[in-house]
Amino acid sequence: NAGVTQTPKFRVLKTGQSMTLLCAQDMNHEYMYWYRQDPGMGLRLIHYSVGEGTTAKGEVPDGYNVSRLKKQNFLLGLESAAPSQTSVYFCASSPDRGYEQFFGPGTRLTVL
Amino acid sequence: GQSLEQPSEVTAVEGAIVQINCTYQTSGFYGLSWYQQHDGGAPTFLSYNALDGLEETGRFSSFLSRSDSYGYLLLQELQMKDSASYFCAVRHDYKLSFGAGTTVTVRA
Repeated sequence: NAGVTQTPKFRVLKTGQSMTLLCAQDMNHEYMYWYRQDPGMGLRLIHYSVGEGTTAKGEVPDGYNVSRLKKQNFLLGLESAAPSQTSVYFCASSPDRGYEQFFGPGTRLTVL
Repeated sequence: GQSLEQPSEVTAVEGAIVQINCTYQTSGFYGLSWYQQHDGGAPTFLSYNALDGLEETGRFSSFLSRSDSYGYLLLQELQMKDSASYFCAVRHDYKLSFGAGTTVTVRA
């Protein structure tokens, strides 16, 4: 089992460019999450999904969109990147309503 | 909304005991989780308390008092590999809200 994987691991964007971050899990988990982590601020929830075809907003959803067309994949999109979106992005999945979450290795994104 | 408070840093020597406190304010509280993160890597789950009391998992224990909106993580017999960041997180509905984290540094 690969667990939770994220693609890409690193990316540098220019302001205004768009990109999609891919999260994949092979554990058949219902719940999936996207977080961003900035220095000294812990993990903040961007969007989440409670099942295939569903998405919902978290604490900091502005500037991001998500899709969950297949149960195993959760995509995070940045339509027009801004320097404020420079961060480390973590994806997680959970089998049991979210209290135990399994995290991917993260994507380190820099927006210039 | 949710707010969590935990100390930013703790330093201790190998073999010592460290307690990381977490106080929270939240609506719709279901339970308190703890996660460990080494050097910015993937956070890993340590423990979860839904009810009052102590949960023990090896050298780590976690405690919850719902009436006091308070919990702690106890790290016993500290080892160098325990140097990491530790996050408390309140579970509400299907989601977690994380604290800012406590950096634990273990000295020889």
